[in-house]
This record gives sequence, structure tokens and C-alpha cells, in this order.
Amino acid sequence: DQQVKQNSPSLSVQEGRISILNCDYTNSMFDYFLWYKKYPAEGPTFLISISSIKDKNEDGRFTVFLNKSAKHLSLHIVPSQPGDSAVYFCAAGAGNQFYFGTGTSLTVIP
Amino acid sequence: GAGVSQSPSNKVTEKGKDVELRCDPISGHTALYWYRQSLGQGLEFLIYFQGNSAPDKSGLPSDRFSAERTGGSVSTLTIQRTQQEDSAVYLCASSLVRGKAEAFFGQGTRLTVV
Repeated sequence: DQQVKQNSPSLSVQEGRISILNCDYTNSMFDYFLWYKKYPAEGPTFLISISSIKDKNEDGRFTVFLNKSAKHLSLHIVPSQPGDSAVYFCAAGAGNQFYFGTGTSLTVIP
Repeated sequence: GAGVSQSPSNKVTEKGKDVELRCDPISGHTALYWYRQSLGQGLEFLIYFQGNSAPDKSGLPSDRFSAERTGGSVSTLTIQRTQQEDSAVYLCASSLVRGKAEAFFGQGTRLTVV
């Protein structure tokens, strides 16, 4: 049973606009959340994280929002750039183990 | 090396054969993870090593899967008597501390069982 879900397998956005990637989790014990970005034939690379004591974390064009009551997090990319085109995985966990979603493939159209 | 290195990058094996996948973590990283990604699936946790502690093997799908980490550095994931459903990309990651720190992933080993 998927503990972390990314219900949109793909997303297309025009360059310069906002990309919003969503993620839902089921385990209320999860207290740390991460987003990874993956290009083809490469391993995932860390993008941004947030702990459960916060509801927002910002790093440049990337902002992660956490809604603990809804068990939902989202990644906002503003403005989107063609180089952002990749598969984005969210991960959630506590302690040693992290569970990953199935990924959302983002295409930023020039 | 500067990053996590995995070898081989691709492996094709016949059903029933054993395979070994290698991971060289970032020097100094005490935590090491193995994940796999099957087609259309997310990253599935397999096993976690932290320093000299007993590994967390809770994600290993069957007793055909085993892993070891020698000297707290290099790790080998072994799959015995491979089956077609073992075909996936096997990803290794390491991090500086346990738990709440971002993990750095290798490029993965694509295993195809024919």
C-alpha cells in the first residue's frame, strides 16, 4: 500500500509560469518531507526539504508547503524554466526510513 | 569520488542466476540506503545501513535478497536466483547522518532479468 502518493503522473507548464506538484501521505507519524528531482539515466538529486514543525520552506524558485492536517505537501516552482523538466519525487518518513511517491513528470514548455 | 558510484550501470542476466550490485557511497557518509524502482512505480525501500549498527532489512522483498556493507563503506546488494519481477533500477544513496538529512543517490543499476 502506497504511503506516499503523487496522483498526477505528468504536468505541463509554460515557461515563466508556476508549476505546482502535489503529494499526499497517509502516515501521521511522518515528520520529515523531501522533494527530489530526477533526470533520465541519473539518480535522484535532493531539491528541498521540510520538517513537520514548519509549514513552508523556500529556496530560491522552489517552495515547499506542508499541510499536516490534510497530510499534503506541495512543491511550487516559480518561475518555471525549461531546465526544470524532470521527474519529481516526494518522500516522507520518520527516523531511518523514507517512502517515495511514484513521481510526477514535469515538462516546461519554452 | 565526489558522488555515490554504482556498478554496473546496466546488467542483463538470465532468470535463475545470481547478481551482485555494488555501491560506493560518498566518503564519510555513515548512512547507506538501497532502493529500487520498478517500471511505473515509486522508489521502494530495501535496506538501510547506519555505521556499525545492525541493518534495517525490513524492505527486502524476499530471502533471495541480501546486502552487506564492508568496513562501513562499500555495499553489495545480492539477488539470488533472479526472477523476471526483479527487473528494476536499483538505486543506492548515502547520507552524512541517519534519518533527517538529504540522501545523495547514485545513478542506479538497471537490472534486466530475461
